[in-house]
Amino acid sequence: DAKTTQPPSMDCAEGRAANLPCNHSTISGNEYVYWYRQIHSQGPQYIIHGLKNNETNEMASLIITEDRKSSTLILPHATLRDTAVYYCIVKDNYGQNFVFGPGTRLSVLP
Amino acid sequence: ETGVTQSPTHLIKTRGQQVTLRCSSQSGHNTVSWYQQALGQGPQFIFQYYREEENGRGNFPPRFSGLQFPNYSSELNVNALELDDSALYLCASSSLAGKDTQYFGPGTRLTVL
Repeated sequence: DAKTTQPPSMDCAEGRAANLPCNHSTISGNEYVYWYRQIHSQGPQYIIHGLKNNETNEMASLIITEDRKSSTLILPHATLRDTAVYYCIVKDNYGQNFVFGPGTRLSVLP
Repeated sequence: ETGVTQSPTHLIKTRGQQVTLRCSSQSGHNTVSWYQQALGQGPQFIFQYYREEENGRGNFPPRFSGLQFPNYSSELNVNALELDDSALYLCASSSLAGKDTQYFGPGTRLTVL
């Protein structure tokens, strides 16, 4: 079973920041938080991952709380092309596979 | 673009038939993982191949089998197809026996009639 909890759906206005929350209250010390997204019927796309510190790349920022029990993926200026299902996954460096939950369906509205 | 390719894009089979799906991994990656994604659900792990050996398996029956070749490309074979096998089949490549980030291909849509 997935070790994360995400809201099933969210809306965001185009051009605004999209903040996608994820709860992972049972995360262990060596587990990373990964984010992927999947645009309709395509393969999941890697976005970002982190362990303790906040991370930023060209796609998004990842904010992890100090107790590591939750995180937020931030898309700073959402566009219509960001409409997708976003998956938050926890995985350690010993696990071979990702366990996907149902994710959050983000709709970016014009 | 991840550099992971899959073929064919779409496939239609009938119940009881056998199917082979193919995946070419990203350059420099020696590990391929296969996932099944039913409509409206998240991907589910089938198995992983690392250096031509199976390196972990999810809760799938033995009629799901695979191969990995010396160039690290991989095949997924499904025998005795059932209607519930209709799904998007995804492969993901990575290094370090899958212990790091996995990069997914576009998937193969299999329909079983």
